Amino acid sequence: ETGVTQTPRHLVMGMTNKKSLKCEQHLGHNAMYWYKQSAKKPLELMFVYSLEERVENNSVPSRFSPECPNSSHLFLHLHTLQPEDSALYLCASSQELGPNEKLFFGSGTQLSVL
Amino acid sequence: SQQGEEDPQALSIQEGENATMNCSYKTSINNLQWYRQNSGRGLVHLILIRSNEREKHSGRLRVTLDTSKKSSSLLITASRAADTASYFCATVNTGGFKTIFGAGTRLFVKA
Repeated sequence: ETGVTQTPRHLVMGMTNKKSLKCEQHLGHNAMYWYKQSAKKPLELMFVYSLEERVENNSVPSRFSPECPNSSHLFLHLHTLQPEDSALYLCASSQELGPNEKLFFGSGTQLSVL
Repeated sequence: SQQGEEDPQALSIQEGENATMNCSYKTSINNLQWYRQNSGRGLVHLILIRSNEREKHSGRLRVTLDTSKKSSSLLITASRAADTASYFCATVNTGGFKTIFGAGTRLFVKA
């Protein structure tokens, strides 16, 4: 148990659906991240939040919309997705936003877009 | 954008043998980290080595860093079937805060 919980674990959605992924960390960390892991590709950093403020949007399409209401919770709102968006979405947190922080990951949400 | 590249992409060994994985990167870094991922799960941090360190140990893990060659290696000694997983190197560029991962090495340890 890493202290980072993601729900749901699996999600199947159609291209016209709207859904949200949820991440909660119980570690008292101040930075949170969304990563995308597609088959046979490196992890892609999507968004970075520090103290609820977005500090990085890594050229992610607008059909992905993050929300960080407080330092313990992070959401990824999904709408009008494409089949190529099917992937494992991983949430992570770190104590602070900095160069020597180690990341604590949740187990991920396996997303399938039909 | 990908920073680290692991080599080999896949490795299959017998239990008890040592496993060595390599990582090369392109730019100046603050540190290099290794993570492990069991199939379909999140990543778990293994070890962090700073740019001014050359070698670091943690249990059966030994990590080396050669900044002149922009490369690192992860050695797992006396491997066990439970070590079967994917291993990723990750770097943070000098002056940056983003942790960028390589594509990983899939390790399979046969009992």
